[in-house]
Amino acid sequence: GQNIDQPTEMTATEGAIVQINCTYQTSGFNGLFWYQQHAGEAPTFLSYNVLDGLEEKGRFSSFLSRSKGYSYLLLKELQMKDSASYLCAVSTGFQKLVFGTGTRLLVSP
Amino acid sequence: GAVVSQHPSRVICKSGTSVKIECRSLDFQATTMFWYRQFPKQSLMLMATSNEGSKATYEQGVEKDKFLINHASLTLSTLTVTSAHPEDSSFYICSARGRGRNNEQFFGPGTRLTVL
Repeated sequence: GQNIDQPTEMTATEGAIVQINCTYQTSGFNGLFWYQQHAGEAPTFLSYNVLDGLEEKGRFSSFLSRSKGYSYLLLKELQMKDSASYLCAVSTGFQKLVFGTGTRLLVSP
Repeated sequence: GAVVSQHPSRVICKSGTSVKIECRSLDFQATTMFWYRQFPKQSLMLMATSNEGSKATYEQGVEKDKFLINHASLTLSTLTVTSAHPEDSSFYICSARGRGRNNEQFFGPGTRLTVL
């Protein structure tokens, strides 16, 4: 079966750094995506990892370890607008994306 | 580039009626389109995958006779919720994948369906 786990909720303070973890066990692996989703809106693409290591893109970085079935999304210099749900999704061998449960991040002043 | 639109964005219907949702890729050819459903405070659940010109592949537990999918062209897929019931009320999101785009799916803005 497919299993992707993320923490349900996290809170952080404006200006801080937060790390959102994702562990996965899937049949097939063609890469891992992170998406941001604000309430009532569609997900927007943040990052894609297919090889082990860290991908940095501005305030956001994503890390992947395929041997451990583990990824994290790192958000630096948090802003209020970063309050959203963050979805980890694995691309399996049949073009499909399997989504994790999502992590709701609340950034407070 | 890579814009996906959905129509309507919001629909309210009576129980027993059918509702059609359109998903269009505006600036690229979508070889594959995906339909997801998302209940409040939950993640996206894949309902079906459709390739242009062929029948959709449904995920386990999704009734193909209730959720009719038509992928008539490389830029348009439709999802029809037949005989809708209140439990079908949800946020329906489509995504599209084009050729040579590194597995990335581009998501539409979603359709909020409320069945009374």
